[in-house]
Amino acid sequence: AQSVTQLDSHVSVSEGTPVLLRCNYSSSYSPSLFWYVQHPNKGLQLLLKYTSAATLVKGINGFEAEFKKSETSFHLTKPSAHMSDAAEYFCVVSSMDSNYQLIWGAGTKLIIKP
Amino acid sequence: SAVISQKPSRDICQRGTSLTIQCQVDSQVTMMFWYRQQPGQSLTLIATANQGSEATYESGFVIDKFPISRPNLTFSTLTVSNMSPEDSSIYLCSVDIGEYEQYFGPGTRLTVT
Repeated sequence: AQSVTQLDSHVSVSEGTPVLLRCNYSSSYSPSLFWYVQHPNKGLQLLLKYTSAATLVKGINGFEAEFKKSETSFHLTKPSAHMSDAAEYFCVVSSMDSNYQLIWGAGTKLIIKP
Repeated sequence: SAVISQKPSRDICQRGTSLTIQCQVDSQVTMMFWYRQQPGQSLTLIATANQGSEATYESGFVIDKFPISRPNLTFSTLTVSNMSPEDSSIYLCSVDIGEYEQYFGPGTRLTVT
């Protein structure tokens, strides 16, 4: 069965410094992978997705993620954090048991220090 | 992409009552989903709602507690029945636009007292 693990429940960085949110997945096939962001009291927004094309995926707001099959990882990065990046981030993997279901990570809360 | 609206955006309800949440999409979609997000938690899929067929419920969720309607390709409702404080959550609808990509509504924040 597939699973997804977000290695940090909270990440705190200073404004202007790099962001790294870690995600590992478990799957017996090549999955689709996503990062979603949820700002306080707002809905979920798709940041980026990997669907077996380029392994380095660029998303919105300067975020990018690299699919590493050998490490079963899909870490999210951003070179320079902005105060507006403070939010909850979810790593998500497609389910092999259906052609539409998603498996959600527990989430990582990103805190930006001024 | 798809634009999704939900009503109500929030509500405070008494235990034992029911609340119906509406989800409207700006385009026709085959698959719609209902999720629950308990405070400080990730998302849990409640059910999948396809137009013209019965909703498919995930383990731990039953139709008597969470009846769903899907009358057409742009609209769905979720009812939370006989509510208890444990039902206090954010309820989200989403649509699948292909290749597992889902777009979400803004959510309904439910508090049961």
